Amino acid sequence: LAKTTQPISMDSYEGQEVNITCSHNNIATNDYITWYQQFPSQGPRFIIQGYKTKVTNEVASLFIPADRKSSTLSLPRVSLSDTAVYYCLVALVSGGYNKLIFGAGTRLAVHP
Amino acid sequence: GAVVSQHPSRVICKSGTSVKIECRSLDFQATTMFWYRQFPKKSLMLMATSNEGSKATYEQGVEKDKFLINHASLTLSTLTVTSAHPEDSSFYICSASLAGDQETQYFGPGTRLLVL
Repeated sequence: LAKTTQPISMDSYEGQEVNITCSHNNIATNDYITWYQQFPSQGPRFIIQGYKTKVTNEVASLFIPADRKSSTLSLPRVSLSDTAVYYCLVALVSGGYNKLIFGAGTRLAVHP
Repeated sequence: GAVVSQHPSRVICKSGTSVKIECRSLDFQATTMFWYRQFPKKSLMLMATSNEGSKATYEQGVEKDKFLINHASLTLSTLTVTSAHPEDSSFYICSASLAGDQETQYFGPGTRLLVL
């Protein structure tokens, strides 16, 4: 069964850089990797998306190695408001079809 | 831009009744809309994918007669939970995407359903 793997939880302190990695061995060839942030009782919010190498926007960076079997979301200088669950969304090859799969999510807790 | 709304935000109903949840893309035309279900502290579970004007594609294990999905326009999709039971209580989230870009999904705020 094709799936993604993320750490269940992470702890950090304000001002630190946080890196969350998602493994996706069966990633589809032509699809992007997308990361979302979710606060309790809210819908997920788009953070960043990439295909390969490095992508950076105003809130995060995304590192994708050449084989695309993993991706790392990097949050620079986190604050308390970054406490949330972070999900990777990738298209995986499963049973001959491409299927969009959400990771299990990484619960990030940022401490003062 | 790319705002998606859901209504209602929360609903409590009696067992056996039906509940309709609306999902609207407010400032763009959504070719595809998705419906997810999320249990506490769990990831999003895709229930079905709907394209405007055609029948929804349901994921394995999701009863299409139980969860009726209608996507009559490019800005509105509805999910009706028919004959709801307590085990249907959950957080239901919709999302919308543009044509050919299903990895970029714009999510609604979710609907909390409690069936008594």
